[in-house]
Amino acid sequence: DSGVTQTPKHLITATGQRVTLRCSPRSGDLSVYWYQQSLDQGLQFLIQYYNGEERAKGNILERFSAQQFPDLHSELNLSSLELGDSALYFCASSVPGRNEQFFGPGTRLTVL
Amino acid sequence: AQSVTQLGSHVSVSEGALVLLRCNYSSSVPPYLFWYVQYPNQGLQLLLKYTSAATLVKGINGFEAEFKKSETSFHLTKPSAHMSDAAEYFCAVSVNTGFQKLVFGTGTRLLVSP
Repeated sequence: DSGVTQTPKHLITATGQRVTLRCSPRSGDLSVYWYQQSLDQGLQFLIQYYNGEERAKGNILERFSAQQFPDLHSELNLSSLELGDSALYFCASSVPGRNEQFFGPGTRLTVL
Repeated sequence: AQSVTQLGSHVSVSEGALVLLRCNYSSSVPPYLFWYVQYPNQGLQLLLKYTSAATLVKGINGFEAEFKKSETSFHLTKPSAHMSDAAEYFCAVSVNTGFQKLVFGTGTRLLVSP
């Protein structure tokens, strides 16, 4: 158990819908990272937040957005969902100054 | 930009045999390198990391990796495979800023036969 929690574990929805994935980092970790794992794209970095502020963006679609709240939990919002958005979405957290990330168990999103 | 290449999408070994999973990196600045393991239907677990200290890094579950700058490699090894090692292994690179994203390789699935 990494200490990073993600909910829900599974999510099944239809095309065109909007979903919200939630992540709680390890106690004391200020940075949250979101990654997408799909069969065709592999593991890709989406976005990073540090203490409530966006720090870096990767290959994140405009239909996707994220935020980090004062209690440091983060949410990833996916809208106008397409079949190709079906993937595992991971959240990771890290401690300032320590270059290692701890991953949550992931949310498996299935878009039908 | 940083990148990693993992040679071999699948590696098969017998129980008790040497495990060697290959990773080559590309980075214009000194890299931080990681190996993660992913068991079926689970998240990624950090096996070991290289952060410019010792070039031979020991990790969990008997795994180790050696950073070779001249070969831009960071191969993962284990002297004797166990059935429980069957999983997918990812090599990843980041740079030394403390808050950098990980860039992952495509992964290598390790199959262990009795």
